[in-house]
Amino acid sequence: QVQLQESGPGLVKPSETLSLSCSVSGVSINTDSWTWIRQSPQMGVEWIGYISSRGNTNYNPSLKRRVTISRDTSKNQFSLNLYSVTAADTAVYYCARDVVRGGLHYGMDVWGQGTTVTVSS
Amino acid sequence: ETTLTQSPAFMSATPGDKVNISCKANKDIDDDVNWYQRKPGEAVIFLIQEASTLVPGISPRFSGSGYGTDFTLTINNIESEDAAYYFCLQHDVFPYTFGQGTHLEIK
Repeated sequence: QVQLQESGPGLVKPSETLSLSCSVSGVSINTDSWTWIRQSPQMGVEWIGYISSRGNTNYNPSLKRRVTISRDTSKNQFSLNLYSVTAADTAVYYCARDVVRGGLHYGMDVWGQGTTVTVSS
Repeated sequence: ETTLTQSPAFMSATPGDKVNISCKANKDIDDDVNWYQRKPGEAVIFLIQEASTLVPGISPRFSGSGYGTDFTLTINNIESEDAAYYFCLQHDVFPYTFGQGTHLEIK
C-alpha cells in the first residue's frame, strides 16, 4: 500500500524559506512523478510542481522563481523548498504521487494527509 | 493556463438525495479530469479518473461524466459520510489546475 507523509515546521517567518519533506512507503520514488500541492482559502487548490522518476522537475510558472523540489532516493523521500515566503504562502501543503504511464501524466492518485504551514512573524 | 470553474461552491443535501457538482474548463481538455474528496484531518481520496472511471474501492454511488469542457460529479443516495470538500483537477496540460471546490453539507 502506497503511503505518503509530510513533515516540517508549522510556522515560518516572512522572507524565510519553507522546507517540507515527504516520506514515501510502499513504492520507490524511482517510478512515477512526485508532486507538491497546496490549499488555502484565498487561492483554493494550487499545483506547485513535481519531480520525475529521473529527477527532472516541472514547476508552476506562478511559483517557479521561488521553488525547488528535490529528492533523496536513498531515503525514498522528496522535498519542497519555497523561498522568500509571505503570508500569502500560508496553506495546507500536500505531497502526492502523479501517475505516469508511457510518458503521459494522469494526475494524482495517492495523497498525504497534508501539513499546515503558517507564515507569520 | 487552463481554468476550471466549479459549482456550486457550497451545497446542502439530505440523506437519500442525488447531487451534481459541475466543473467547466475554458478549453477542450478531452477526458483529462479527476475528482477528489477531502475531509478535515484525512488524506485526500481519489474518486474518479479520466472523467468517468470509478477508482477501484470507491462506492458506486459516485459517478463522473463529461468530455471536452463540461464535467459532472454525481453522488447518488447521499449518506452522512459524504459530507466533505470535493474538487476537480485537469491533467491535460501543465500547470495542472483545480476547480475552486464544493463544500457538501449533509442535513
